[in-house]
Amino acid sequence: EAGVTQFPSHSVIEKGQTVTLRCDPISGHDNLYWYRRVMGKEIKFLLHFVKESKQDESGMPNNRFLAERTGGTYSTLKVQPAELEDSGVYFCASSQGYGRAKYEQYFGPGTRLTVT
Amino acid sequence: ELKVEQNPLFLSMQEGKNYTIYCNYSTTSDRLYWYRQDPGKSLESLFVLLSNGAVKQEGRLMASLDTKARLSTLHITAAVHDLSATYFCAVDRKETSGSRLTFGEGTQLTVNP
Repeated sequence: EAGVTQFPSHSVIEKGQTVTLRCDPISGHDNLYWYRRVMGKEIKFLLHFVKESKQDESGMPNNRFLAERTGGTYSTLKVQPAELEDSGVYFCASSQGYGRAKYEQYFGPGTRLTVT
Repeated sequence: ELKVEQNPLFLSMQEGKNYTIYCNYSTTSDRLYWYRQDPGKSLESLFVLLSNGAVKQEGRLMASLDTKARLSTLHITAAVHDLSATYFCAVDRKETSGSRLTFGEGTQLTVNP
C-alpha cells in the first residue's frame, strides 16, 4: 500500500512568489491534515480536511495560505505571496477516520520550503 | 491551549548507554504518540499510548505514560548508532471528526560510536 506522498520534496522561491504544495493521502483515508515545522521548532497544526470539507483551519497563519482538497482526494496548499517566515517543512498526514485504530495519522516525507 | 514540552532538545550519547527523553503536556489528552524522524524522511510512528500506566517496548525503546503527572518517557537502552534521529512526542484529543496533533519541539538524538 502506498504511503502519503508529497510534492515537491524541496522548493526554493523568492519572497513575493507563489508556491503550491501537493499531498496525496493514503487511498481511502477521509482525514487529511497539514502541519509545518518552522526553524527547528515544534511541528504545528495548520488545518484538517474531512473528505473535501475543511473541518478545522484554526492553525492557518494568515490569508496568504489557501488549502483545497478537490473531490476529497489529493490536497494542495498554496502560499501567495510567500514571505521569509514561511520557510520550513510542510508535512501532510492522513487517517482513516473514527473508531479504534482508525485515528492514527500517517505522515508524508514533507516539503522543505525555502523563501529567499 | 494544549502545550507539549520535550526535554532534552539535543542529546548526544555513547553507544551502549541508557537515557530517557521526557514529554510533558499541559492539559488532559486522549492519546500520546512517539514518532521518529530521520532526515528528509516521514515521521514514523513508534508508539501510541492510550491509558495511564501504559508501557510499550520495541527493541531498545520503551515508552510509558503517566496521565496523572501528564508525563511520558521514552527510554533508550544500550543505544546504538542506528537510533540517531529526531524523536517527537505528540498528544491529541478525541473529537467528533478526527483529531489534531500537538507536538513537542523534538529531541535530536545522536549516538556516537
